[in-house]
Order: sequence, then structure tokens, then C-alpha cells
Amino acid sequence: QVQLQQWGAGLLKPSETLSLTCAVYGESFSGYYWSWIRQPPGKGLEWIGEINHSGNTNYHPSVKSRVTISVDASKNQFSLKLSSVTAADTAIYFCARGVRGVHAYYYYYMDVWGKGTTVTVSS
Amino acid sequence: SSELTQDPAVSVALGQTVRITCQGDSLRSSYAGWYQQKPGQAPILLIYGQDNRPSGIPDRFSASRSRNTASLTITGAQAEDEADYYCNSRDSSSNLWVFGGGTKLTVL
Repeated sequence: QVQLQQWGAGLLKPSETLSLTCAVYGESFSGYYWSWIRQPPGKGLEWIGEINHSGNTNYHPSVKSRVTISVDASKNQFSLKLSSVTAADTAIYFCARGVRGVHAYYYYYMDVWGKGTTVTVSS
Repeated sequence: SSELTQDPAVSVALGQTVRITCQGDSLRSSYAGWYQQKPGQAPILLIYGQDNRPSGIPDRFSASRSRNTASLTITGAQAEDEADYYCNSRDSSSNLWVFGGGTKLTVL
């Protein structure tokens, strides 16, 4: 059974860099989209970006200038770095596995999620 | 547009049927994924593809799609179904994931 275990610093000061890592257990890294999603307090889910096993990335336009997602396939881990954080980056951050299926159309879904890491940005 | 639109809140009487909708251009050529999130927990996948449930998801949850609208139906809502529900998909033009704003379901 696939499991995602995530960790990272939970309290940051404005202008610091957020750094989180997600380890994948029980499944190969290949063939999936590995995403980071966040959820500000009391709000909905916001996709941040993704990486595949080859290191190809896609980022949400709202954070693209500040975000880097990287992969260490040898360790089955992928990481998120978000620079110059502000209070607006305060959120629960989740890692998740994205899957592509096909049935008349391609369709996409996220079937495995990490438990989430609460990140607070405060001076 | 790559946005997915959901009603912010929906209520249903215990044991009755409720439909939660998700609207967006990306759904014209794809199916939505549906997720349930309870307070303090990570989202869990309820439905994927045309109408597929992961192991352990009750069959009272089902999905459908018409034009640019995906729907999640709960047939015989239970008290434990009170939660936030999110849809998501991937925009084919931008190649980016997108989430709906979420629907808070109250079971009366």
C-alpha cells in the first residue's frame, strides 16, 4: 500500500524559505505526478505544483516565481521550496500522488495524500 | 478558463439524496476527481474517472458528467458524510491541476 510521509519546518518568519519533503513508500516513483497542495486556514485546496520521476515540473502561476519542486528518485522523495514567504503562505501543505487514466478521455485524480504539515508564517 | 466552480454549501436530510456539482471548461473533455475532507484530516479520494470508487468507499457515492458539469451524488446520506467535498481536474490547455472551491455538506 502506497504511503506518503511528509515533514518540514512548521514555523517561519516572513522572507524565509519554506522547505518540505515527501517520501513515497510502497510504490515506484515512475509514472505518476507528484504534487504539493496547500490549504489556508478555513479555505479550500490550492494546487502549488508537481514533478514527475524525470524531474519535469509544472507550477501554479500564482507562486511560480517563488517555488521549486525537486525530486530525489534514488530515495523516492520529492521536495518543495517556497521562497520569500509571507503570512499569506500560512497553510496546511499536503503532498499527493497524481494519476492519469483514460476512458474515452484522459482523466486525472490524486489517489494518495500525505497527512499534511501546518506551516505558519509569523514575525 | 481553468477554474472549477462549486456551490459553497449544500444541505441534505438524513437518508435523502444530494447532488454536488462542479462546473468548468476542463470538464468538457475529462472527468473530475472527487474528494471528501473532514476537519483536521487530509482529503480522501471518493470517485475517479467515469464513476470509479477506490476500495473502501461506500457505493452510496456515485458520479456523473454532462457537458462541462461533473456531479457527485450521495444516495441515502449518512451523518458521517457531513464534510467538505472538492472536485479537481487537469486543464488540458495549461497542463495544470485545478481544484473547485469546495462544497460544505451539512446532514440535517
